[in-house]
Amino acid sequence: DADVTQTPRNRITKTGKRIMLECSQTKGHDRMYWYRQDPGLGLRLIYYSFDVKDINKGEISDGYSVSRQAQAKFSLSLESAIPNQTALYFCATSDPSLGGRGETQYFGPGTRLLVL
Amino acid sequence: DQQVKQNSPSLSVQEGRISILNCDYTNSMFDYFLWYKKYPAEGPTFLISISSIKDKNEDGRFTVFLNKSAKHLSLHIVPSQPGDSAVYFCAALTQGGSEKLVFGKGTKLTVNP
Repeated sequence: DADVTQTPRNRITKTGKRIMLECSQTKGHDRMYWYRQDPGLGLRLIYYSFDVKDINKGEISDGYSVSRQAQAKFSLSLESAIPNQTALYFCATSDPSLGGRGETQYFGPGTRLLVL
Repeated sequence: DQQVKQNSPSLSVQEGRISILNCDYTNSMFDYFLWYKKYPAEGPTFLISISSIKDKNEDGRFTVFLNKSAKHLSLHIVPSQPGDSAVYFCAALTQGGSEKLVFGKGTKLTVNP
């Protein structure tokens, strides 16, 4: 079983709809992240959470919200989807106590979102 | 403004030859650099890293070189194998900061048999 899972893997929605992307992890990590990847661009950080009570905005948080329901679950919501939110979305987890910096970020397989 | 730049969107090499992927950065506060590898339909996976106190780090066929004065790093893959075909992302972290990775746009490497 995958350590970091994302549901759904693919989603098509219409402008103005509210949608939620979910991320679950079995690695026991406290830190979780949401990134988006656009064609020709690198991954950009949307939100991150260092524990259940800690939520922080990343580089591109406008138009998104998150919920950290438990250590293992971190959801990303688009309150009113717009076409320029069409992208590939990745969830990641990390545990800095494992040593190094950044090496312990483990990514899920991604959710491909199309907003019509 | 891109702080981490990978100016080559794609690179094609022959199996057995060297692959060199380049990355430039503009933020002098970056002190740790990583390369991630991404196959289609999968998330990125960590490949190799280097601290700014070093100029080289080697792990098997993969070597990362850092030139701080030029704000440039490169990933060398020797010998290249078809299984290395993937998108490679350069990423950076700021000193004393949290694990907020700043990624480049990626370079798609194709290794031809």
